[in-house]
Amino acid sequence: ETGVTQTPRHLVMGMTNKKSLKCEQHLGHNAMYWYKQSAKKPLELMFVYSLEERVENNSVPSRFSPECPNSSHLFLHLHTLQPEDSALYLCASSLQRGGAETQYFGPGTRLLVL
Amino acid sequence: DQQVKQNSPSLSVQEGRISILNCDYTNSMFDYFLWYKKYPAEGPTFLISISSIKDKNEDGRFTVFLNKSAKHLSLHIVPSQPGDSAVYFCAVSTSGSARQLTFGSGTQLTVLP
Repeated sequence: ETGVTQTPRHLVMGMTNKKSLKCEQHLGHNAMYWYKQSAKKPLELMFVYSLEERVENNSVPSRFSPECPNSSHLFLHLHTLQPEDSALYLCASSLQRGGAETQYFGPGTRLLVL
Repeated sequence: DQQVKQNSPSLSVQEGRISILNCDYTNSMFDYFLWYKKYPAEGPTFLISISSIKDKNEDGRFTVFLNKSAKHLSLHIVPSQPGDSAVYFCAVSTSGSARQLTFGSGTQLTVLP
């Protein structure tokens, strides 16, 4: 099984829909992240979970709701999104040991909001 | 206000020659630096990293150089291969908030056969 997997790979949703993105890591890591990559912009950190607790929320609108039930799984629940939320959503994980950490990314979910 | 800048959105290099990708940062508190490679329809793949106590780190064809005084990071690929064609992102962090990676906007490298 590859290190970090994400499903679905592609998602089209209307502004009134509710959907969830799923991420799973098989690396024995203890921190997980959600990033957003919009066209022509750098990756933007959205949320950080460390040992299943949310430790960072980078001013993300409440229509994005993360959930981390255990150290291997991370969800991003979406509701009443806007067309400008269309982007590539990337999950990453890392092993916290203090000091520098390397994050490993999943393949991403390409989201289109109509 | 971008803290990490990759000023060249694209770079073309002949196969077998050296590719040099550059990255500049503004905050001298950054002390861990990474390069990621991204192919279309895939997530970024970790390539190589360097901490601020070093000025060079080498892994096969890839070498990262760090110039702390200039706040400049570069990635050298030699010899370049067509399979290296991808978008390369630099990312930086500080030990104090090691989980907060700040990314550059990326450079599209094309290696011509």
